[in-house]
Amino acid sequence: DVKVTQSSRYLVKRTGEKVFLECVQDMDHENMFWYRQDPGLGLRLIYFSYDVKMKEKGDIPEGYSVSREKKERFSLILESASTNQTSMYLCASSTASGREWGTDTQYFGPGTRLTVL
Amino acid sequence: DQQVKQNSPSLSVQEGRISILNCDYTNSMFDYFLWYKKYPAEGPTFLISISSIKDKNEDGRFTVFLNKSAKHLSLHIVPSQPGDSAVYFCAASFVTGTASKLTFGTGTRLQVTL
Repeated sequence: DVKVTQSSRYLVKRTGEKVFLECVQDMDHENMFWYRQDPGLGLRLIYFSYDVKMKEKGDIPEGYSVSREKKERFSLILESASTNQTSMYLCASSTASGREWGTDTQYFGPGTRLTVL
Repeated sequence: DQQVKQNSPSLSVQEGRISILNCDYTNSMFDYFLWYKKYPAEGPTFLISISSIKDKNEDGRFTVFLNKSAKHLSLHIVPSQPGDSAVYFCAASFVTGTASKLTFGTGTRLQVTL
């Protein structure tokens, strides 16, 4: 079974703090993703990475950065947290697309509920 | 620009009846479609998928139908059970070169009542 873990389930931070969200997967997947989920907006892609040290912006990268130093670990960084970054953050991973059908399937972690006060 | 749309934010169905969740997309480049189920305070879990070369895929109580000409897909759950109560997201993808990215709809909350 694919296992994606996230460092915290709940996090409360103050405006202006630097925030690190960590994600680890144990299936040797090449691709890793960070999303945020907000009511009425679904899941929106922040950043993704298709290889170690490689990253690409998603649909809403502003205010975020990422780091992928090891294949199994993908970090999301909020340089200076703001109240509009209060959200559920979801990490996902998938195997490389070749493309075989089914390789698009992403496996998600349990999420981190971040509140910025 | 919402490329994947789930126009019904919520749906209520009686236990044992059929649940039909709908999804529309606008980008004709999408060629792989997935449904995810999400319980509160948990990450989404993969449910079922379909490639654009098929029009139907079945897995137990779950069937996904794809109508490419209408750019429409639907998820049928038969029979519906109380444990199916969750938010369902449809997602669509195509290969961009570096990775297949998923574009998600806004979700439909399904409530299965006794």
